[in-house]
Amino acid sequence: QSALTQPASVSGSPGQSITISCTGTSSDVGGYNYVSWYQQRPGKAPKLMIYDVSHRPSGVSDRFSGSKSGNTASLTISGLQAEDEADYYCSSYTSSNTWVFGGGTKLTVL
Amino acid sequence: QVTLKESGPALVKPTQTLILTCTFSGFSLSTSGMRVSWIRQPPGKALEWLARIDWNGAKFYSTSLKIRLSISKDTSKNQVVLTMTNMDPVDTATYYCAQMSWWDFETWGQGTLVTVSS
Repeated sequence: QSALTQPASVSGSPGQSITISCTGTSSDVGGYNYVSWYQQRPGKAPKLMIYDVSHRPSGVSDRFSGSKSGNTASLTISGLQAEDEADYYCSSYTSSNTWVFGGGTKLTVL
Repeated sequence: QVTLKESGPALVKPTQTLILTCTFSGFSLSTSGMRVSWIRQPPGKALEWLARIDWNGAKFYSTSLKIRLSISKDTSKNQVVLTMTNMDPVDTATYYCAQMSWWDFETWGQGTLVTVSS
């Protein structure tokens, strides 16, 4: 199972919006609405930010939103804040009853 | 409140077998719908899903690592154990266990770094 494709890095200024893409295949991202997104700060465990493509867990800011079109899912962060600087990973359930992660995207807040 | 904590050796030699334990609280793995997965992350690299065990004993493994992995649970101790055979330096990573909410990794442990070196 190949990793999902994410841009290596994205950046934005405080207050701006950014979008991170996550491209897979019809056997994972495109085939199921089971895409999730994780935020990982240096030296910390990942934290669930979005599940089932577009749902936010309790306690996650509504500045974070998710969507999907075909084989590509996206995470959008609006009103960018310094505290959003972190690595972000997407994940998808697959037709093999396994899970696959993306390569990760480093978000820099300028 | 759900918490998970990984434990095991920090250093293993090549060809040895790694045994990691995930001790959790705040839920029971005998409750319908509960699942626990293991995920690893080599230093500076991406996350990789390894294995999952369900409340009913069902087990699922990474396709590429299936022959080396074994996952089990001890419901009475609130523990999940991951065994990985024939360790290699490329298996050096932080290993996480995570409670799953059906299709996502809802709560993660702090992770444990395992270094494979002679």
